[in-house]
Amino acid sequence: EAGVTQFPSHSVIEKGQTVTLRCDPISGHDNLYWYRRVMGKEIKFLLHFVKESKQDESGMPNNRFLAERTGGTYSTLKVQPAELEDSGVYFCASSPRTGTNEKLFFGSGTQLSVL
Amino acid sequence: GNSVTQMEGPVTLSEEAFLTINCTYTATGYPSLFWYVQYPGEGLQLLLKATKADDKGSNKGFEATYRKETTSFHLEKGSVQVSDSAVYFCALSDKTSGTYKYIFGTGTRLKVLA
Repeated sequence: EAGVTQFPSHSVIEKGQTVTLRCDPISGHDNLYWYRRVMGKEIKFLLHFVKESKQDESGMPNNRFLAERTGGTYSTLKVQPAELEDSGVYFCASSPRTGTNEKLFFGSGTQLSVL
Repeated sequence: GNSVTQMEGPVTLSEEAFLTINCTYTATGYPSLFWYVQYPGEGLQLLLKATKADDKGSNKGFEATYRKETTSFHLEKGSVQVSDSAVYFCALSDKTSGTYKYIFGTGTRLKVLA
């Protein structure tokens, strides 16, 4: 069974450009999460999809970030326009169910560098 | 609000040394507690978990006990190996404002020398 896959693994862009990150969750996992880790700090929650619906987007930093999950399968996270402080590792995770005991399955992350 | 605090790294140990990575939490409800591990070039993987007070999670020789009285979930291993070199994240999961959410610590990098 394929795990959570993220693309690209690395992205280097200039300030003001647009970048789109993609996440393919494990097949059948209704729950999809985006997280971000900046400069060795804690991994911070960005948002949570249940199928194609945004369950919780309270962690999205501002309106330069747009996440979509059309059809409830893969998800994209677009940053437009990118700023220097957006640099970090963006993780996607999925799980089959919601709940406090649920294990998250993580992708290997996208390292975003904004210059 | 909920939060997780874990000891800063890096932690450097010799092979077969005893490992402790401290983790404390703040939560308004009754969270589940987790340790995730990230090996170089990979995503985070669940290492162990505990869902209620006094539960002990264990896996691959690692252990952590859910201590409600001290709000702690310290990770321990009696004898580390070079292959344990990785970044370890403490996390809690709780239901707040009607949604389930994970809160992670800053991660602790462990380096084990042969």
